[in-house]
Amino acid sequence: DIVMTQTPLSLSVTPGQPASISCKSSHSLLHSDGKTYLYWYLQKPGQSPHLLIYEVSNRFSGVPDRFSGSGSATDFTLKISRVEAEDVGLYYCMQSLHLPYTFGLGTKLEIK
Amino acid sequence: EVQLVESGGVVVQPGGSLRLSCAASGFSFDDYTMHWVRQGPGKGLEWVSLITWDGLRTDYAGSVKGRFTISRDNGKNSLYLQMNSLRTEDTALYYCTKGDDNYGFDYWGQGTLVAVSS
Repeated sequence: DIVMTQTPLSLSVTPGQPASISCKSSHSLLHSDGKTYLYWYLQKPGQSPHLLIYEVSNRFSGVPDRFSGSGSATDFTLKISRVEAEDVGLYYCMQSLHLPYTFGLGTKLEIK
Repeated sequence: EVQLVESGGVVVQPGGSLRLSCAASGFSFDDYTMHWVRQGPGKGLEWVSLITWDGLRTDYAGSVKGRFTISRDNGKNSLYLQMNSLRTEDTALYYCTKGDDNYGFDYWGQGTLVAVSS
């Protein structure tokens, strides 16, 4: 199975400041079709997860542009340019290159 | 508006069986692969199973293979998960998710809680 390792496991950020989460996969997520099957999800407290970023760097519909994704092969990063109070929750990276699809353990974002 | 509504979660004894359902609306259900993803208490997310749009291909996490069966009824816009030989470690919130070739899991239900306990 592909192992997804997220760091840090938690971070506390002052509103208006940036935040960054790293996700490393144990296997390259680049497919022969040219796509990289790496996604980011946010699970707000008491809610289901929802999609933020697909294929490394594409914001899903309705996702604010303060969220951005980058990376390639095995190293990926989710950045929030200016954290807002509504951004609190658990952030997960996920790969869908190979079954079983696997998630990182999650990064808990709190507001200072 | 895409909606996924799970149901069927209850408290069940170890060794017991349960069938979860997911009612889908707001999209062409029979065009998409569907998945089940679970989240144990205080734990992260675990992919459980998938079924292709036509029901011809299914796949399972190793932890549930041979015990769980995924199915769908495109005429009823519904997804199911038959869970047999339940174990305490199957205790989790089970989410129905819509798969997309580009977006991964682009929509999630609110989840249904399965508790396996004696």
